[in-house]
Amino acid sequence: EPEVTQTPSHQVTQMGQEVILRCVPISNHLYFYWYRQILGQKVEFLVSFYNNEISEKSEIFDDQFSVERPDGSNFTLKIRSTKLEDSAMYFCASVRGVASTDTQYFGPGTRLTVL
Amino acid sequence: AQKITQTQPGMFVQEKEAVTLDCTYDTSDPSYGLFWYKQPSSGEMIFLIYQGSYDQQNATEGRYSLNFQKARKSANLVISASQLGDSAMYFCAMRGPYSSASKIIFGSGTRLSIRP
Repeated sequence: EPEVTQTPSHQVTQMGQEVILRCVPISNHLYFYWYRQILGQKVEFLVSFYNNEISEKSEIFDDQFSVERPDGSNFTLKIRSTKLEDSAMYFCASVRGVASTDTQYFGPGTRLTVL
Repeated sequence: AQKITQTQPGMFVQEKEAVTLDCTYDTSDPSYGLFWYKQPSSGEMIFLIYQGSYDQQNATEGRYSLNFQKARKSANLVISASQLGDSAMYFCAMRGPYSSASKIIFGSGTRLSIRP
């Protein structure tokens, strides 16, 4: 069964460094998302992406963050100048389309630890 | 604005018993989708079940069923014959109108623990 994959599974970085989180959505999906979950808290929406551009972003997704689909398969989240509070689990998700039965499928997540 | 409320932070259930996890939602959109996801201790987010706002029947997927009461804006998850492997965090979530592949909004979750 097709699945969303994410790499790395765990990333440790120093405060102020840049990190790139990578995702490979399900191949026939058209809409892509990043969410984040701070430890012990609920999952929060960051950004949605369709047709090579951002379709919606949350207040969390400020100039520190950027997304890109550099080729036909990868979908990346870049966090510039990381802060301690960026430590969280980051989930990528994708969905095929906008039919009522289309479900967002989540990747296994990347746990980001900022020291 | 859309909102999801899960009022049970934690639940303990005996193995093989049925369990109901509560979820209420608020939205002014006539079309929306409701989801339940399971998050085990390993951290991944596993899709369990989906209910569309116009669906006439309650959704079922194996041991999972969704008790959808539209007038009361509730979408409770029922797990029949619970198993030890059901111990996890459970999130109720909502997506906006069908016309857009919009973001999903999550509730705060319920931690379910199954006792042997």
